Amino acid sequence: GESVGLHLPTLSVQEGDNSIINCAYSNSASDYFIWYKQESGKGPQFIIDIRSNMDKRQGQRVTVLLNKTVKHLSLQIAATQPGDSAVYFCAENRGIQGAQKLVFGQGTRLTINP
Amino acid sequence: GAGVSQSPSNKVTEKGKDVELRCDPISGHTALYWYRQSLGQGLEFLIYFQGNSAPDKSGLPSDRFSAERTGGSVSTLTIQRTQQEDSAVYLCASSLRTARETQYFGPGTRLLVL
Repeated sequence: GESVGLHLPTLSVQEGDNSIINCAYSNSASDYFIWYKQESGKGPQFIIDIRSNMDKRQGQRVTVLLNKTVKHLSLQIAATQPGDSAVYFCAENRGIQGAQKLVFGQGTRLTINP
Repeated sequence: GAGVSQSPSNKVTEKGKDVELRCDPISGHTALYWYRQSLGQGLEFLIYFQGNSAPDKSGLPSDRFSAERTGGSVSTLTIQRTQQEDSAVYLCASSLRTARETQYFGPGTRLLVL
């Protein structure tokens, strides 16, 4: 069935290194994508979003890349810090008229090693 | 300004009891969403409100689950005759108008049904 999923459930990187978290989606009608960060015991925190008319969007230390050809989304975090340790979720809005929900992937746990 | 708040932060109840979970969205946000997150899982959409109306209830898992929103602001999620499988974190989010804008999440209510 249709899904938003992640390639890896866990990812460990050394502090200061760059990290890349991947996400695949299957619905070509999806046109709005979001990355959330969730720390233990807290609600998801918005990181960055991208619409389908863009291939790349940059924020502070984060970059989201969208490849519509292969239906792939990635989150790049530069110069990782201990505070980046969290679970990262991608989510999509499928662009259906009146559809108002986000569909979330299962999440990737990012661990930053000192 | 204040973010999304939820209460209680934790709730322990006995199987068969009813529970009410409360969400206070960001002031001025007309769209409100409830999600459920089971341990180690992604977020599962439950219901969406636009103002006081709920045009999408498709995610409610059974008729034991209901929600209402009053005054275009506070929302209450009610679970009747709780079951152990209802144990999860219940997250509320709000956005300015639609799901194609940033959804801001509250900290969640952790529900444990014994």
